[in-house]
Amino acid sequence: DTEVTQTPKHLVMGMTNKKSLKCEQHMGHRAMYWYKQKAKKPPELMFVYSYEKLSINESVPSRFSPECPNSSLLNLHLHALQPEDSALYLCASSQDQDRVVGELFFGEGSRLTVL
Amino acid sequence: GENVEQHPSTLSVQEGDSAVIKCTYSDSASNYFPWYKQELGKGPQLIIDIRSNVGEKKDQRIAVTLNKTAKHFSLHITETQPEDSAVYFCAARIGGWGAQKLVFGQGTRLTINP
Repeated sequence: DTEVTQTPKHLVMGMTNKKSLKCEQHMGHRAMYWYKQKAKKPPELMFVYSYEKLSINESVPSRFSPECPNSSLLNLHLHALQPEDSALYLCASSQDQDRVVGELFFGEGSRLTVL
Repeated sequence: GENVEQHPSTLSVQEGDSAVIKCTYSDSASNYFPWYKQELGKGPQLIIDIRSNVGEKKDQRIAVTLNKTAKHFSLHITETQPEDSAVYFCAARIGGWGAQKLVFGQGTRLTINP
């Protein structure tokens, strides 16, 4: 079982809805990540939080808004999404963003469908 | 920009045979190279990794080799079993302090035929 927990596992939303994806880890990791994965493609980095501060934003549209309330939690707020945003959203964590050896632990993902 | 190329995109082998997946990277400053296995409906899981000061690393049936001069690294799975069927991603860590991230290869769908 993964030690990174994501909720919900599945989400269907309309283009005018506002929803949130949630991620939690209790491994004491200080870096947390959001990735987007389309079918048959590798994970694409969206955001990185290091010590609860946003350190990387990969030019993600503003309809995706990340939030890191504390070192264990990471949210992704969704608003006015497009059908092409439908994908598997993966949360991950690592001990530290900058360690040479830094295993990335992934959650099971939240599968998002935008109608 | 930074790039990781992975080959082949699909690989089918008979149970018990070996499988090899190869990756090349472009950033000579990359110093950490993990391999992830992703089963259907699950998130990627780290199976082995290697740092730039090591040429080879082995863990039971899985091994990774790194050639820093040629900027390529490979995953070797011996005595393959049906449960090895999955998508495998290589990755390379890039970026300076405070901005490090993983760049993934395109993935290899490995099928083990009984």
